[in-house]
Amino acid sequence: SAVISQKPSRDICQRGTSLTIQCQVDSQVTMMFWYRQQPGQSLTLIATANQGSEATYESGFVIDKFPISRPNLTFSTLTVSNLSPEDSSIYLCSGQGTMTEAFFGQGTRLTVV
Amino acid sequence: AQKVTQAQTEISVVEKEDVTLDCVYETRDTTYYLFWYKQPPSGELVFLIRRNSFDEQNEISGRYSWNFQKSTSSFNFTITASQVVDSAVYFCALRRYSGGYQKVTFGTGTKLQVIP
Repeated sequence: SAVISQKPSRDICQRGTSLTIQCQVDSQVTMMFWYRQQPGQSLTLIATANQGSEATYESGFVIDKFPISRPNLTFSTLTVSNLSPEDSSIYLCSGQGTMTEAFFGQGTRLTVV
Repeated sequence: AQKVTQAQTEISVVEKEDVTLDCVYETRDTTYYLFWYKQPPSGELVFLIRRNSFDEQNEISGRYSWNFQKSTSSFNFTITASQVVDSAVYFCALRRYSGGYQKVTFGTGTKLQVIP
């Protein structure tokens, strides 16, 4: 399956700032997904990103807080804005192309202080 | 609505013991995919297996085996002769079989600790 490189792997940010997470796929994928995993919890889908259109957000997630870009079929970014300690989580990007299983980036472990 | 239940929150076993991780799912779809993923402490999600709902054959891959029982909506995962490297959180997941790019529903995960 394809490989996703996700950066940064971890970061410690001050509250009120923003963090942008990048995911680069080594092949073209139509859909990318962004997940949040709070400590000790399962994965919660934030949004689905299709190239050339606005991302589709799940209930409880809004574009102002989690703006997403998807400029081409191999790249996407997620920004977590106006950080608060509640945003401390692992953020994962996922791709789904011609293979039916989702493949994931390495995750970004965010700590907000 | 789709739902995946992993009732075992944490399991501890001694190395070389066998361990089974349970997964029960709910879906109204007649065709679907089931998955298992492993999340080691480093955080990445590693794909282990995909099973189509119309294929109820059990599968074995080395020390790993999977038992899919459509009649009980279960997709259990057994690790034989567990090793310390198996220590991780394991997620069972479900998605629709229909065309397009369907969301994946994850269970809450089972944290496995293998004690040397």
